[in-house]
Amino acid sequence: EDKVVQSPLSLVVHEGDTVTLNCSYEVTNFRSLLWYKQEKKAPTFLFMLTSSGIEKKSGRLSSILDKKELFSILNITATQTGDSAVYLCAVYAGGTSYGKLTFGQGTILTVHP
Amino acid sequence: GAVVSQHPSRVICKSGTSVKIECRSLDFQATTMFWYRQFPKQSLMLMATSNEGSKATYEQGVEKDKFLINHASLTLSTLTVTSAHPEDSSFYICSAAQVRGLAQYFGPGTRLLVL
Repeated sequence: EDKVVQSPLSLVVHEGDTVTLNCSYEVTNFRSLLWYKQEKKAPTFLFMLTSSGIEKKSGRLSSILDKKELFSILNITATQTGDSAVYLCAVYAGGTSYGKLTFGQGTILTVHP
Repeated sequence: GAVVSQHPSRVICKSGTSVKIECRSLDFQATTMFWYRQFPKQSLMLMATSNEGSKATYEQGVEKDKFLINHASLTLSTLTVTSAHPEDSSFYICSAAQVRGLAQYFGPGTRLLVL
């Protein structure tokens, strides 16, 4: 069974801190890994990673994938209160599961002023 | 780009009634749409995968006669919760992908409360 595990489950920091969120996976025939940010409503897309070692960056957020060690990290630098959200990691696998995302349980990030 | 809308955003209904939720991709064509359910403080649970012009594929444990899915066009999928009961109360979220295996973009969700 495909599995995606995120850590930590929750994190509390102060504005200006840098955080690293982790996502490890065990899936058959890995295709790609996606990061989403979920505030009060539905998830918003952040990154899609397919290749190892290539960093994707958007403003203060960046992410990288390690397909050998089967994990990804999401970094947020100079955190702001608006970064408070649940961050979800999800994986596309191949085979009969192709096209279906398997989600991790999420990391709840709280940024205090 | 990549905007997905969902309607209604919130619905309260009596037990036994049917509720229809619409999911639309506004600025792209989606060959595949997905329906998820999310309980408080839990992650998303995939209910079914909907491909335009064909029958939906339901996940194990999801009753296809209770959760009717129609993907009539490349921009519209509907989920109908038939004979809703209080245990169906949940947050229902759709997502759309231009092509299966590419990034899924989520709608804002529909909060269903069955009294």
